[in-house]
Amino acid sequence: EPEVTQTPSHQVTQMGQEVILRCVPISNHLYFYWYRQILGQKVEFLVSFYNNEISEKSEIFDDQFSVERPDGSNFTLKIRSTKLEDSAMYFCASSEGVTPSLGNGYTFGSGTRLTVV
Amino acid sequence: RKEVEQDPGPFNVPEGATVAFNCTYSNSASQSFFWYRQDCRKEPKLLMSVYSSGNEDGRFTAQLNRASQYISLLIRDSKLSDSATYLCVVTNTDKLIFGTGTRLQVFP
Repeated sequence: EPEVTQTPSHQVTQMGQEVILRCVPISNHLYFYWYRQILGQKVEFLVSFYNNEISEKSEIFDDQFSVERPDGSNFTLKIRSTKLEDSAMYFCASSEGVTPSLGNGYTFGSGTRLTVV
Repeated sequence: RKEVEQDPGPFNVPEGATVAFNCTYSNSASQSFFWYRQDCRKEPKLLMSVYSSGNEDGRFTAQLNRASQYISLLIRDSKLSDSATYLCVVTNTDKLIFGTGTRLQVFP
């Protein structure tokens, strides 16, 4: 079964440092997403990306965050200057192009646990 | 008001029990509705979509009441492997909006 792959599985970084979280979406998917989940809290939408541009972003996704699809396979989330409150699990997801709103076309990666110290 | 509200639980039930989870959502323009399952420190996984007519998948039955903006999930004959957090999810455009989840613990 096709998978969304995320690396690294766990990253520890010092406050103020830049981090890049990497994702390889399913190859024929056209919509890409980042979500985050702070420990003990709900999963929150960060950003959606389609046709090489952001299609929607949440209030959380401020100027410290950026996304990029640098080649045909990777989808990255960059946090420029990490804060303690950025510590969370970050999930990448991708969905099929035709019906991005249907959950059965939406696949999550296993997540990157980011710890900011 | 939260966009998606769920009772956080935990629900502790014996094997074989029937358990029901409820969820309400605030945005009447929400388009699609789902139940996801999340194991500890893992990614959310789709359990089932929810339709107004109600739908069943084995031991799981989901219902949607658009007028009341209410979604439910019924699990019959609970198994130990059903222990997880159950997330109520609605869509708005192409993003998923998650509830905080209801934790289920099934004991022998």
